[in-house]
Amino acid sequence: AAGVIQSPRHLIKEKRETATLKCYPIPRHDTVYWYQQGPGQDPQFLISFYEKMQSDKGSIPDRFSAQQFSDYHSELNMSSLELGDSALYFCAISRKGGGQETQYFGPGTRLLVL
Amino acid sequence: AQTVTQSQPEMSVQEAETVTLSCTYDTSESNYYLFWYKQPPSRQMILVIRQEAYKQQNATENRFSVNFQKAAKSFSLKISDSQLGDTAMYFCALRETSGSRLTFGEGTQLTVNP
Repeated sequence: AAGVIQSPRHLIKEKRETATLKCYPIPRHDTVYWYQQGPGQDPQFLISFYEKMQSDKGSIPDRFSAQQFSDYHSELNMSSLELGDSALYFCAISRKGGGQETQYFGPGTRLLVL
Repeated sequence: AQTVTQSQPEMSVQEAETVTLSCTYDTSESNYYLFWYKQPPSRQMILVIRQEAYKQQNATENRFSVNFQKAAKSFSLKISDSQLGDTAMYFCALRETSGSRLTFGEGTQLTVNP
């Protein structure tokens, strides 16, 4: 959706380092989702938050954690990075009420682990 | 568990012609939502069209329309008057009402030829 901000847009890390990805939803969109898309793959759901509480959890490694803050922005923290973590990470948002079922994606963060 | 299958890894169409992308899914729920997203070379995930399972009428958005067959669990996307800008990877996705995650198919790479 227009206005969903993800930062950084590109990130290069070494193995075993940590990374923090950020997502800033547009106003009145209170649910945030994180997806991981590996090369040539479809997006895989990692985790979601509604009103700052974890609402669903998918295939997120134990090395990863995430939270949603009082201003509704969200951060995905990734530790002990592995080569296989190289992927495109999307944040998606939806809005409570009409249209809650529809998720709009941010531009993504491209993470490369060397 | 919900699953989504796209059996056409690649398709091509001539500019101005019509093309149909196939998608089948499986879910144990009676109410759910189906989506088509496109991912152009920029890797941005863009919502194309959505369908509520409880609605009999097929969704339409300009040149894009769907053929939703609930009993057959089929959800195909028809693109009319194909344009060069339609060249992209197209993902079919399912969201059950009991959860929040999107489950994606493997994707179909569509190429529109001049």
